This record gives sequence, structure tokens and C-alpha cells, in this order.
Amino acid sequence: NAGVTQTPKFRVLKTGQSMTLLCAQDMNHEYMYWYRQDPGMGLRLIHYSVGEGTTAKGEVPDGYNVSRLKKQNFLLGLESAAPSQTSVYFCASIPGTRNEKLFFGSGTQLSVL
Amino acid sequence: QQPVQSPQAVILREGEDAVINCSSSKALYSVHWYRQKHGEAPVFLMILLKGGEQKGHEKISASFNEKKQQSSLYLTASQLSYSGTYFCGTEGAGNMLTFGGGTRLMVKP
Repeated sequence: NAGVTQTPKFRVLKTGQSMTLLCAQDMNHEYMYWYRQDPGMGLRLIHYSVGEGTTAKGEVPDGYNVSRLKKQNFLLGLESAAPSQTSVYFCASIPGTRNEKLFFGSGTQLSVL
Repeated sequence: QQPVQSPQAVILREGEDAVINCSSSKALYSVHWYRQKHGEAPVFLMILLKGGEQKGHEKISASFNEKKQQSSLYLTASQLSYSGTYFCGTEGAGNMLTFGGGTRLMVKP
């Protein structure tokens, strides 16, 4: 059982470039979340999904887009990367009922130069 | 809106106790607590449901006051392994799960 897998683990972008981060879970979880964590800071919610085909904005959605075409995958896109988007990105999932713990991926370190 | 954690940092000697607080301005369905070591993903500690529940995990326990929208994490007889950053996560309406800014805990020998 792989759990929650994030790819890539590291990436360096130039300002203005685009990229997609992939989050895949093999636990048949309904809810999936994307967070960013800046150095010394907490986790801030970017976007989340409560099921296949659904997405919703979190606390800091600007500059990001997401898609949940398949239940097991949650994609985070940066259309035009900016240095302010340099961060560690964590994906997480929950089975689908309330009061369940988050299963986190190992994170993606993204640097935008 | 993010929950607010206090204190922001704590330094303890082994064997000492600590309390970390988490408060929210919105109605909560549940409160999560996680611990994160440097360079790693957060690790689940416990989850509390609305209803004033108190839970324990070895020497770490927590309480949740639904009416006050507050939760506290209690660390007793701290060990070196307790060092890290502690985050509370709160779930409000719409299944949004947001986290506080974290409390850095350092336990010294």
C-alpha cells in the first residue's frame, strides 16, 4: 500500500514557467487537499476536493488551479510561476467521513527563480 | 480562517510539562493535532470531536471545548522525542481543514 504519493519531490522553475504537481492515493479516499508550507510557517490550504469531479478554493487559491478527474488523483497546476510560490507543497487525503485523520504525502519542494 | 495557536515557541527540559492552545473564530466540527519534524510531513497525534471530548495518547492528551471553539494539547513528562512543531487543524463547515501557524517545541536534556 503506497498511501499518498506526490510527484515530483523537487523542482526548480523559472519565473513564468508552468508545471503540474501530481498527488495520487490508493486508499479510495474521497477528500483530498493541497497545502503549501513556507519556511517556519504553518500549512495553508490552497484548494481541496470532496469527491471526483469536485474542487473548492481554500485560503490561498490565487495563482493555482486544480483538477480531480479521477478519484485517486488530485492535480495542482501553476500556470505562470512566481517567486512567491516557492514553498513546500503537501497533498493529503481523508477517507470521506468526518473525524478521520489526514494522510499526508511526503511533500514537493518547489523553487521559483 | 486559520486557527490561532499559542505560544509560538516553547523550550522545556526533559520531564517538564507543556500546554499548547488552539482557538478558532468559527464553529468547529473537529480538531486535529499533528507533530512535524524538520523536513518531514506532519504526523497525526489525535483528533477530537465536538462535545468536549478529551483524548489521550501515552503522555500526550488533548481537550476540545466546542462552545469556546478552543482546544488544548497537554504534554506531560516531556521526552527528547517530543521536539518538533505542533499544529492544530480545525474543520469547519464545508469540509475545509485549516491549520494554525504552529508551536515550536524544543526539549533539552
